[in-house]
Amino acid sequence: ELKVEQNPLFLSMQEGKNYTIYCNYSTTSDRLYWYRQDPGKSLESLFVLLSNGAVKQEGRLMASLDTKARLSTLHITAAVHDLSATYFCAVDISWNSGNTPLVFGKGTRLSVIA
Amino acid sequence: DTAVSQTPKYLVTQMGNDKSIKCEQNLGHDTMYWYKQDSKKFLKIMFSYNNKELIINETVPNRFSPKSPDKAHLNLHINSLELGDSAVYFCASSQLVQGGSQGYNEQFFGPGTRLTVL
Repeated sequence: ELKVEQNPLFLSMQEGKNYTIYCNYSTTSDRLYWYRQDPGKSLESLFVLLSNGAVKQEGRLMASLDTKARLSTLHITAAVHDLSATYFCAVDISWNSGNTPLVFGKGTRLSVIA
Repeated sequence: DTAVSQTPKYLVTQMGNDKSIKCEQNLGHDTMYWYKQDSKKFLKIMFSYNNKELIINETVPNRFSPKSPDKAHLNLHINSLELGDSAVYFCASSQLVQGGSQGYNEQFFGPGTRLTVL
């Protein structure tokens, strides 16, 4: 059974600081997804990482994937209050079958404070 | 121009009732899903429908039944509601994108339906 673990689950950071969220998964996969969820809202796709060594950046967020270590990171640079949200990583493992559901981590609740 | 829509947004009902949640996507995707998000924000797949066929069904009580009248719709019907069914239910859709050596399955989520069973 595929397991996806994130840490930390809760993160309180000061504005302007840097931090990294980690996502480990238990079986081989070359596809990892990051989503953002604001309180009471839906999930918004942030990044799709498709291969070992993949790195994607959008604004103050940068995601990377190491398939050998089964690890993805989401790095936050110079945090601002607008980044406060819950961040989920997710993995799917069987694209050859066409479509499969995602297995999500438990989410990292990020709070950026002044 | 909403991509994935769900109705209702909020649903409050008594134990033992039967209720349905509707989902529609206008993205032309082949696969639709239902996820349950519990009070701790943990997301878990319930159902997945591809071309009107159920392809994955997790260990969900048979009180829950997905119904897909066509590729753009996947409704969730729940019989004999229980307190533990209270959660937020998200519909999602995806289309496998193939390219190079990797395909991917980015899913797009609806706004969610907050179900409260009293």
